[in-house]
Formats: sequence, C-alpha cells, structure tokens
Amino acid sequence: VQLQESGPRLVRPSQTLSLTCNVSGVAISSGGYYWNWIRQHPGKGLEYIGYISHSGSPYYNPALESRVDISLDTSKTQISLKLRSVSAADTALYYCARSDPYGDNAGWVDTWGQGTLVTVSS
Amino acid sequence: EIVMTQSPATLSVSPGERATLSCRASQNVNGNLAWYQQKPGQAPRLLIYGASIRATGIPARFTGSGSGTDFTLTISSLQSEDFAVYFCQQYNNWPGTFGQGTNVEIK
Repeated sequence: VQLQESGPRLVRPSQTLSLTCNVSGVAISSGGYYWNWIRQHPGKGLEYIGYISHSGSPYYNPALESRVDISLDTSKTQISLKLRSVSAADTALYYCARSDPYGDNAGWVDTWGQGTLVTVSS
Repeated sequence: EIVMTQSPATLSVSPGERATLSCRASQNVNGNLAWYQQKPGQAPRLLIYGASIRATGIPARFTGSGSGTDFTLTISSLQSEDFAVYFCQQYNNWPGTFGQGTNVEIK
C-alpha cells in the first residue's frame, strides 16, 4: 500500500489549501479502513485534521471543522483535503494516512504517505 | 480533547542500553493507545497499537505496556536504528491526539 500526497506547496493567506492523496496497492472501495489527513507543524507534534471511510461521512477535528472538507473519489483512488481561509498557523507538513478503525473513531495509523510541506505566506 | 503528555522530552541512551518512555493521558483511554517512531525527514511508523500489540515487522525489543492513563514504551537494547523521536497517540476519543514526542538520542 502506498499513499502519495500532491498539491501546491505555497498558499496565500485567506485562500484555500487543496491537497490530493493518491492511493495505490489497495482499493479504497473495499472498506475496512479509514482514510485520514494529519498534519505536523514544523518541529512539533502531530494533529488530526479528519478522516473518512470508504462509504461514510467525514469526521473532522472540532478545532478545524468550520474550515475543512475531506472527500473520496473511489474510482480514482484519491482522497482530497480542502482547508479554507488559511493563515500562517496552517503552515505544516500534511500527511495522508490509512488507519484501522476503532469503533467509530479513526483508530491507529498503519500506513503513512511521505507528507507534503505546505507553506502559507504572501 | 484528551491531552497526551510524554516524558522525558529527550532521553540520552547508549547503544545496547534499555530505554523507557512514558506517556500519560489526561483522562482514561482504556487500552486504546499507539506508539510511533519518526526519523528525520520520514513519516512516522507504527510500532505498537492496543497499548501492547506490536505491529507487523516490529522487533521484539519494542514492548508497550499500560492501560487507563499511564503507558510505557520500552526498548530493551537500543540499536543504532532506534535513535529517533517517539510519539504516543490515543484513539479512544475523537479527535485522536498525539503526545509531543520523546527524542531518543545517542549518549
């Protein structure tokens, strides 16, 4: 299983950050896993943005919920992230990741993409 | 949101020695805790889930223990490839939250 993030590396403040994750080696539509976006601020810890199942609704971190959209395109084996109204505080390394569900929660992450650094700056 | 606190922030250990890393949750997370290893420039790698279950391919020198609010990751005999940052993560409650990490460095 491989996950590969792509998208603009530089986003202007107040604009929308858009990233795509291409999934290979497993069919998203097969179920059994959740698909996540997690970010890591430079030199800092990790923060959940949200996750989505192959057929269910997305779940977002309440701290970001008003600005985030996560969606799946199972035919293209892609997961998308949109984060609106960004500021410098959104500068981070963004990871796409697969997790093993625990109940209705995202569970533990067993596969990570390489991550893509997105800088918010004018 | 559950806050995960790791200690120490930095642990200096000689190769071959034992390393003990701690992770404390601000409220009960049962056994729903994972540990990850991250090396510079790399994504995290899953080591342990369910507090004590080693992920596929993880050497037996990595041992996780604990439940409730207090958890430990023990590396029995540090190898050169084990020097890295280690994160704990609770997934009992949404959003899952991570500790700030313990940097295991060569003494």
